[in-house]
Amino acid sequence: QVQLVQSGAEVKKPGASVKVSCKASGYTFSTSAMHWVRQRPGQRPEWMGWINAGHSNTKYSENFQGRVTITWDTAASTAYMELSSLRSEDTAVYYCAKAYCSSSTTCYEPNFWGQGTLVTVSS
Amino acid sequence: DIQMTQSPSSLSASVGDRVTITCRASQVINNYLAWFQQQPGKAPRPLIYAASSLQSGVPSKFSGSGSGTDFTLTISSLQPEDFATYYCQQYNSYPMTFGQGTRLEIK
Repeated sequence: QVQLVQSGAEVKKPGASVKVSCKASGYTFSTSAMHWVRQRPGQRPEWMGWINAGHSNTKYSENFQGRVTITWDTAASTAYMELSSLRSEDTAVYYCAKAYCSSSTTCYEPNFWGQGTLVTVSS
Repeated sequence: DIQMTQSPSSLSASVGDRVTITCRASQVINNYLAWFQQQPGKAPRPLIYAASSLQSGVPSKFSGSGSGTDFTLTISSLQPEDFATYYCQQYNSYPMTFGQGTRLEIK
């Protein structure tokens, strides 16, 4: 069965970086992408980007001004999301979520979500 | 960015009721519209994709419709576990964007 298991909660200081992992199993990676979505307290989800696991190409939201980097480790079947230059407004639950891709650049809606990782940014 | 607007923002209903939630996109999104259910403290649960197709394992009490810019999610025969927050999401263009959510509460 499909599983997405994320790393544990993090507490970071402003200006630092955080790297969240998402270990995947139970599905075909070559035709899948991994989305990263965050949700600030009481807010709607916010899409950050995705990586096509079969081709390692990425797509990012420009709303993060280049602070997001998403990678895929094929050997470990694990996706990573690194967010740099953290500020208090980045305090949120961060989710990975898999999606089907019909090509290297066309991927669709999240169809299975990880459990979420709380990242707290505080001085 | 495409703006997604849901209505109502909150809704009270009783067990056994049928409810409809609306989602409007600021541009045509070619039916690339998904619906999610979220319980407090949990990850979103996918319900609908491509505006009207049920995700695997989702009961047929959930249905989606619409095209272009206007979409609806209908939930029939409400049960206690259906009271949650519902979000729509467009995945036609980047960045993918979500509606502000509709909180469904027990009357």
